Amino acid sequence: EPEVTQTPSHQVTQMGQEVILRCVPISNHLYFYWYRQILGQKVEFLVSFYNNEISEKSEIFDDQFSVERPDGSNFTLKIRSTKLEDSAMYFCASRGQGHYNSPLHFGNGTRLTVT
Amino acid sequence: AQSVTQLDSQVPVFEEAPVELRCNYSSSVSVYLFWYVQYPNQGLQLLLKYLSGSTLVESINGFEAEFNKSQTSFHLRKPSVHISDTAEYFCAVSSSGGSQGNLIFGKGTKLSVKP
Repeated sequence: EPEVTQTPSHQVTQMGQEVILRCVPISNHLYFYWYRQILGQKVEFLVSFYNNEISEKSEIFDDQFSVERPDGSNFTLKIRSTKLEDSAMYFCASRGQGHYNSPLHFGNGTRLTVT
Repeated sequence: AQSVTQLDSQVPVFEEAPVELRCNYSSSVSVYLFWYVQYPNQGLQLLLKYLSGSTLVESINGFEAEFNKSQTSFHLRKPSVHISDTAEYFCAVSSSGGSQGNLIFGKGTKLSVKP
């Protein structure tokens, strides 16, 4: 069964550094998402992406965050200047066409640790 | 604004015992409700969903959930759990008026099944 893959599984970076989290969504999916989960807290929506542009973003997704689909297969989340509070598990998800509440397929996540 | 409350952060049970994981939501519009499961070191997987119709929905592995509009609840139940059900369970909601299936998650409930 096709799946969403995320790399790396764990990323450690220093405060102020830029990080890029990578995701390969399921190949025929059209809607892409990033969520994050700070340890012990809720899974939070960050951003949704469709037709090569952001369709919705949360308050968390400020100017330090950006997303890109550079080559038709990868979907990346960039944090320009990481802060300690960016430490979290970041989940990528994708969804195919059809009813807009068809299930989201999630990757295994990237654990980002900012020191 | 929508929100999801999972009252229990951890639920320990013995194998073959029944279990109920509680989920309450708040929303001013019609909602779609989901339960996702996260096994250790894996991503989120859809367990079951309520979109419309019968208020009782079932998964293939014996879990069921009942949508109760008057109590704004969507509790997850299983009459007899297995060791393999040990995982974290997330309740989620999206609104019928929301854009492109963005989900609001609860904090999650860790189910620990002991022999």
